[in-house]
Amino acid sequence: GESVGLHLPTLSVQEGDNSIINCAYSNSASDYFIWYKQESGKGPQFIIDIRSNMDKRQGQRVTVLLNKTVKHLSLQIAATQPGDSAVYFCDTGTASKLTFGTGTRLQVTL
Amino acid sequence: NAGVTQTPKFRILKIGQSMTLQCTQDMNHNYMYWYRQDPGMGLKLIYYSVGAGITDKGEVPNGYNVSRSTTEDFPLRLELAAPSQTSVYFCASTYGPQASPLHFGNGTRLTVT
Repeated sequence: GESVGLHLPTLSVQEGDNSIINCAYSNSASDYFIWYKQESGKGPQFIIDIRSNMDKRQGQRVTVLLNKTVKHLSLQIAATQPGDSAVYFCDTGTASKLTFGTGTRLQVTL
Repeated sequence: NAGVTQTPKFRILKIGQSMTLQCTQDMNHNYMYWYRQDPGMGLKLIYYSVGAGITDKGEVPNGYNVSRSTTEDFPLRLELAAPSQTSVYFCASTYGPQASPLHFGNGTRLTVT
């Protein structure tokens, strides 16, 4: 299975600041990457994805950056809001034996 | 579309009891998965299915069984519940094997005492 890991288990950010959540992966053959958000008591929810032929993709207030050279993925959240408080997982999009890391808990302080 | 629906939301079992966690999806997805999530931990794959009639083991299959008789349903069976199976269980589905995100249900919180 894919090995993915998160650099920081918890990230505390002030409301209005930008957040950056990092993820390392080990399989250089991975060609699709996904970020999920999991709010307390709920299942993970898809946020944004990126294919390996891209190095950046933007959504609404979120940007994913992919550095294939160092096998590193990051999720940037602009103007972080209290509703962004959650655990964020990265994953590679393969059919079997998907493996998620522990995730990074984002805490938004007022 | 309701997406992925899991029932029940909560359940308490005694050691040795059995139960079935239900999962159904209305998106006509071929691929379905069962995960467990222990407190403060990531998701671990229990079983998955790539289509009706086909199932395969994931990372932590011991103590569980699955079946996939229809595209929509993917129930998870616990035959002899043990305290180690206390966890939150998530079912997920996706359209294809690659380049498609998972859609998750909201989980079943199971306690075995």
